[in-house]
Amino acid sequence: DTGVSQNPRHKITKRGQNVTFRCDPISEHNRLYWYRQTLGQGPEFLTYFQNEAQLEKSRLLSDRFSAERPKGSFSTLEIQRTEQGDSAMYLCASSHRKKPGELFFGEGSRLTVL
Amino acid sequence: DQQVKQNSPSLSVQEGRISILNCDYTNSMFDYFLWYKKYPAEGPTFLISISSIKDKNEDGRFTVFLNKSAKHLSLHIVPSQPGDSAVYFCAASVDRGSTLGRLYFGRGTQLTVWP
Repeated sequence: DTGVSQNPRHKITKRGQNVTFRCDPISEHNRLYWYRQTLGQGPEFLTYFQNEAQLEKSRLLSDRFSAERPKGSFSTLEIQRTEQGDSAMYLCASSHRKKPGELFFGEGSRLTVL
Repeated sequence: DQQVKQNSPSLSVQEGRISILNCDYTNSMFDYFLWYKKYPAEGPTFLISISSIKDKNEDGRFTVFLNKSAKHLSLHIVPSQPGDSAVYFCAASVDRGSTLGRLYFGRGTQLTVWP
Protein backbone atom coordinates (compact mmCIF):
# COMPACT_ATOMS: atom_id res chain seq x y z
CA ASP A 1 0.00 0.00 0.00
CA THR A 2 1.61 3.28 -1.11
CA GLY A 3 -0.86 5.65 0.52
CA VAL A 4 -0.39 7.85 3.57
CA SER A 5 0.07 5.75 6.68
CA GLN A 6 -0.68 6.88 10.23
CA ASN A 7 0.10 5.19 13.52
CA PRO A 8 -1.38 4.44 15.92
CA ARG A 9 -4.92 4.42 14.57
CA HIS A 10 -6.38 4.80 18.03
CA LYS A 11 -4.92 6.11 21.26
CA ILE A 12 -6.64 6.33 24.63
CA THR A 13 -4.73 8.19 27.29
CA LYS A 14 -5.23 9.85 30.62
CA ARG A 15 -5.20 13.59 30.99
CA GLY A 16 -1.69 14.89 31.52
CA GLN A 17 0.07 12.15 29.58
CA ASN A 18 2.12 12.73 26.44
CA VAL A 19 1.21 11.12 23.13
CA THR A 20 3.00 10.90 19.80
CA PHE A 21 1.56 10.19 16.39
CA ARG A 22 3.53 9.18 13.34
CA CYS A 23 2.78 9.83 9.69
CA ASP A 24 4.46 8.26 6.68
CA PRO A 25 3.54 10.22 3.55
CA ILE A 26 3.56 9.07 -0.06
CA SER A 27 7.24 8.81 -0.89
CA GLU A 28 7.48 11.31 -3.74
CA HIS A 29 5.41 13.97 -1.96
CA ASN A 30 7.38 16.91 -0.61
CA ARG A 31 4.57 18.48 1.42
CA LEU A 32 3.15 17.04 4.61
CA TYR A 33 0.22 18.43 6.57
CA TRP A 34 -1.37 17.84 9.93
CA TYR A 35 -5.06 18.56 10.42
CA ARG A 36 -7.39 17.95 13.32
CA GLN A 37 -11.04 17.02 13.00
CA THR A 38 -13.70 16.90 15.67
CA LEU A 39 -17.25 15.62 15.38
CA GLY A 40 -19.38 17.70 13.03
CA GLN A 41 -16.49 19.85 11.87
CA GLY A 42 -14.30 19.89 8.84
CA PRO A 43 -10.55 19.32 9.08
CA GLU A 44 -8.77 22.20 10.83
CA PHE A 45 -5.26 23.07 9.75
CA LEU A 46 -2.50 22.60 12.33
CA THR A 47 0.79 22.79 10.45
CA TYR A 48 2.60 21.83 7.29
CA PHE A 49 6.08 20.97 6.11
CA GLN A 50 7.78 21.38 2.80
CA ASN A 51 10.50 18.77 2.88
CA GLU A 52 11.96 19.13 6.40
CA ALA A 53 11.04 22.79 6.86
CA GLN A 54 7.96 23.64 8.91
CA LEU A 55 6.50 26.50 6.89
CA GLU A 56 3.31 27.38 8.70
CA LYS A 57 1.68 26.75 12.05
CA SER A 58 -1.87 27.47 13.09
CA ARG A 59 -2.59 29.32 16.30
CA LEU A 60 -4.50 26.14 17.20
CA LEU A 61 -1.07 24.59 17.70
CA SER A 62 -0.39 25.57 21.29
CA ASP A 63 3.05 25.17 22.83
CA ARG A 64 1.99 21.72 24.04
CA PHE A 65 2.00 20.58 20.44
CA SER A 66 5.16 19.97 18.46
CA ALA A 67 5.62 18.53 15.01
CA GLU A 68 8.77 17.41 13.30
CA ARG A 69 9.82 16.04 9.97
CA PRO A 70 13.51 15.48 10.56
CA LYS A 71 14.62 14.03 7.24
CA GLY A 72 11.84 15.28 5.04
CA SER A 73 10.17 11.88 5.03
CA PHE A 74 7.98 10.75 7.97
CA SER A 75 6.62 13.18 10.52
CA THR A 76 5.67 13.03 14.18
CA LEU A 77 3.12 15.06 16.07
CA GLU A 78 3.58 15.12 19.84
CA ILE A 79 1.06 16.42 22.32
CA GLN A 80 2.37 17.04 25.80
CA ARG A 81 0.25 17.18 28.96
CA THR A 82 -2.87 16.14 27.09
CA GLU A 83 -6.21 17.73 27.93
CA GLN A 84 -9.72 16.43 27.29
CA GLY A 85 -10.14 19.11 24.64
CA ASP A 86 -7.36 17.46 22.64
CA SER A 87 -9.65 14.50 21.91
CA ALA A 88 -10.04 14.47 18.14
CA MET A 89 -9.07 12.73 14.93
CA TYR A 90 -5.59 13.81 13.85
CA LEU A 91 -5.24 13.63 10.09
CA CYS A 92 -2.02 13.61 8.15
CA ALA A 93 -1.91 14.40 4.45
CA SER A 94 0.75 14.79 1.80
CA SER A 95 0.88 16.39 -1.62
CA HIS A 96 3.17 16.51 -4.61
CA ARG A 97 4.88 19.77 -5.50
CA LYS A 98 3.19 19.77 -8.92
CA LYS A 99 -0.29 19.43 -7.39
CA PRO A 100 -0.06 21.15 -4.01
CA GLY A 101 -3.81 21.38 -3.51
CA GLU A 102 -4.46 17.71 -4.08
CA LEU A 103 -3.97 16.36 -0.60
CA PHE A 104 -3.82 12.65 0.01
CA PHE A 105 -5.07 11.95 3.51
CA GLY A 106 -4.30 9.06 5.78
CA GLU A 107 -7.03 7.30 7.74
CA GLY A 108 -6.25 9.36 10.81
CA SER A 109 -5.22 8.75 14.39
CA ARG A 110 -8.07 9.03 16.89
CA LEU A 111 -7.10 10.41 20.27
CA THR A 112 -9.32 10.00 23.32
CA VAL A 113 -8.20 11.77 26.47
CA LEU A 114 -9.93 10.53 29.63
CA ASP B 1 -14.31 32.15 12.45
CA GLN B 2 -15.60 29.90 9.69
CA GLN B 3 -14.27 31.25 6.41
CA VAL B 4 -15.75 28.41 4.39
CA LYS B 5 -19.37 27.59 5.05
CA GLN B 6 -21.50 24.64 4.07
CA ASN B 7 -24.90 25.51 5.41
CA SER B 8 -26.62 22.25 4.56
CA PRO B 9 -25.47 19.46 6.87
CA SER B 10 -27.28 16.85 4.81
CA LEU B 11 -28.80 16.21 1.39
CA SER B 12 -30.86 13.27 0.22
CA VAL B 13 -31.24 12.53 -3.49
CA GLN B 14 -32.72 9.72 -5.52
CA GLU B 15 -30.38 7.64 -7.68
CA GLY B 16 -30.11 9.04 -11.20
CA ARG B 17 -31.04 12.58 -10.19
CA ILE B 18 -28.76 15.56 -9.80
CA SER B 19 -27.07 16.30 -6.48
CA ILE B 20 -26.16 19.94 -5.84
CA LEU B 21 -23.92 20.73 -2.90
CA ASN B 22 -23.33 24.35 -2.00
CA CYS B 23 -20.50 26.25 -0.38
CA ASP B 24 -19.97 29.91 0.53
CA TYR B 25 -16.79 31.65 1.55
CA THR B 26 -16.08 34.96 3.20
CA ASN B 27 -12.38 35.59 2.48
CA SER B 28 -12.01 37.47 -0.81
CA MET B 29 -8.34 36.42 -0.95
CA PHE B 30 -9.34 32.82 -1.69
CA ASP B 31 -8.72 31.99 -5.31
CA TYR B 32 -8.46 28.21 -5.42
CA PHE B 33 -11.26 25.89 -4.40
CA LEU B 34 -11.53 22.16 -3.95
CA TRP B 35 -14.03 19.47 -3.07
CA TYR B 36 -13.15 16.42 -1.03
CA LYS B 37 -15.23 13.32 -0.37
CA LYS B 38 -15.07 11.29 2.82
CA TYR B 39 -16.36 7.79 3.53
CA PRO B 40 -16.68 6.56 7.14
CA ALA B 41 -13.42 5.41 8.71
CA GLU B 42 -11.39 6.82 5.83
CA GLY B 43 -9.54 10.06 5.29
CA PRO B 44 -10.95 12.62 2.85
CA THR B 45 -10.12 12.07 -0.82
CA PHE B 46 -9.66 14.78 -3.42
CA LEU B 47 -12.50 15.05 -5.91
CA ILE B 48 -12.23 18.16 -8.07
CA SER B 49 -10.81 21.68 -7.97
CA ILE B 50 -11.28 25.04 -9.64
CA SER B 51 -9.15 28.15 -9.95
CA SER B 52 -10.74 31.59 -9.70
CA ILE B 53 -9.81 32.30 -13.32
CA LYS B 54 -12.51 29.81 -14.31
CA ASP B 55 -16.18 29.64 -13.50
CA LYS B 56 -16.66 25.97 -14.28
CA ASN B 57 -14.65 22.78 -14.17
CA GLU B 58 -15.95 19.39 -15.18
CA ASP B 59 -14.67 15.88 -14.53
CA GLY B 60 -16.96 13.09 -15.59
CA ARG B 61 -20.13 13.20 -13.51
CA PHE B 62 -18.76 15.97 -11.31
CA THR B 63 -18.90 19.68 -12.16
CA VAL B 64 -17.89 22.56 -9.93
CA PHE B 65 -19.26 26.05 -10.56
CA LEU B 66 -17.72 29.18 -9.10
CA ASN B 67 -19.48 32.53 -8.69
CA LYS B 68 -16.80 34.91 -7.46
CA SER B 69 -19.05 37.91 -7.07
CA ALA B 70 -21.34 35.95 -4.78
CA LYS B 71 -18.43 34.12 -3.11
CA HIS B 72 -20.26 30.92 -3.81
CA LEU B 73 -19.41 27.59 -5.36
CA SER B 74 -21.38 24.46 -5.96
CA LEU B 75 -20.70 20.84 -6.83
CA HIS B 76 -23.05 19.09 -9.21
CA ILE B 77 -23.15 15.32 -9.46
CA VAL B 78 -25.06 13.95 -12.43
CA PRO B 79 -26.33 11.29 -12.37
CA SER B 80 -26.09 10.53 -8.68
CA GLN B 81 -25.24 6.98 -7.68
CA PRO B 82 -25.57 5.17 -4.32
CA GLY B 83 -21.76 4.97 -4.15
CA ASP B 84 -21.67 8.76 -4.03
CA SER B 85 -23.15 8.65 -0.53
CA ALA B 86 -20.47 10.28 1.61
CA VAL B 87 -19.59 13.51 3.38
CA TYR B 88 -18.48 16.22 0.96
CA PHE B 89 -16.14 18.95 2.14
CA CYS B 90 -15.60 22.22 0.37
CA ALA B 91 -12.13 23.75 0.81
CA ALA B 92 -10.48 27.00 -0.21
CA SER B 93 -7.00 28.40 -0.38
CA VAL B 94 -4.85 31.22 -1.68
CA ASP B 95 -2.93 30.40 -4.84
CA ARG B 96 0.57 31.73 -4.43
CA GLY B 97 1.75 30.95 -7.91
CA SER B 98 4.19 28.11 -7.56
CA THR B 99 2.63 26.93 -4.35
CA LEU B 100 -0.63 26.91 -2.46
CA GLY B 101 -1.44 28.06 1.04
CA ARG B 102 -3.21 26.05 3.71
CA LEU B 103 -6.64 24.66 2.94
CA TYR B 104 -9.64 25.96 4.87
CA PHE B 105 -12.43 23.39 5.05
CA GLY B 106 -16.16 23.72 5.54
CA ARG B 107 -18.04 21.50 7.98
CA GLY B 108 -19.19 19.13 5.29
CA THR B 109 -22.49 17.97 3.79
CA GLN B 110 -23.64 14.39 4.18
CA LEU B 111 -25.00 13.22 0.82
CA THR B 112 -27.27 10.20 0.77
CA VAL B 113 -28.25 8.75 -2.59
CA TRP B 114 -31.14 6.31 -2.33
CA PRO B 115 -32.19 3.76 -4.95
